[in-house]
Amino acid sequence: RKEVEQDPGPFNVPEGATVAFNCTYSNSASQSFFWYRQDCRKEPKLLMSVYSSGNEDGRFTAQLNRASQYISLLIRDSKLSDSATYLCVVNRNNDMRFGAGTRLTVKP
Amino acid sequence: GAVVSQHPSRVICKSGTSVKIECRSLDFQATTMFWYRQFPKKSLMLMATSNEGSKATYEQGVEKDKFLINHASLTLSTLTVTSAHPEDSSFYICSARDHAGVPTDTQYFGPGTRLTVL
Repeated sequence: RKEVEQDPGPFNVPEGATVAFNCTYSNSASQSFFWYRQDCRKEPKLLMSVYSSGNEDGRFTAQLNRASQYISLLIRDSKLSDSATYLCVVNRNNDMRFGAGTRLTVKP
Repeated sequence: GAVVSQHPSRVICKSGTSVKIECRSLDFQATTMFWYRQFPKKSLMLMATSNEGSKATYEQGVEKDKFLINHASLTLSTLTVTSAHPEDSSFYICSARDHAGVPTDTQYFGPGTRLTVL
């Protein structure tokens, strides 16, 4: 079983749609969690950290469920510029493990 | 945020040659740098953790004699792919951890180096 699993997609949605990504992790000792965004042929860039209490940054909401070892990312009012691959990242003792990513395409 | 650079951004080489990739932290000191590899449509895979002034720690399955890592200063780590073969063609990305005043798990990524071995 992979340490971090994501639905690879692709998710093709119209502008303005709400889309949700899920991620599960296998190591219950994982300490911190992130969502990164990666554009084609570019490096990953931190989108947001994920906390148990849930956190929101504009149109983006991240949620963590430690009991279920589950992380989510919700994007509201999708923009064309949101098209990218979204990587779920799990950290334990400064060892970061990446999911394979979920590809999102937002269409006009 | 902190800036990490990589050089070269792209390299094409013949099979059997060696390729050196540089990773630099431009505005902070990085005692720890990480080297990742990413194949098309796959996740980033950690290859090794590079610590300034000491030997790198390699992940299982990564040949330390093939992927030579040197972290001679607080702002520079290099990855040398020795005797490269076509199966080494990949996107190599480094990241650096800034220990000063930020959460210890904050990593900043370089722009990546695309290696193509013919």
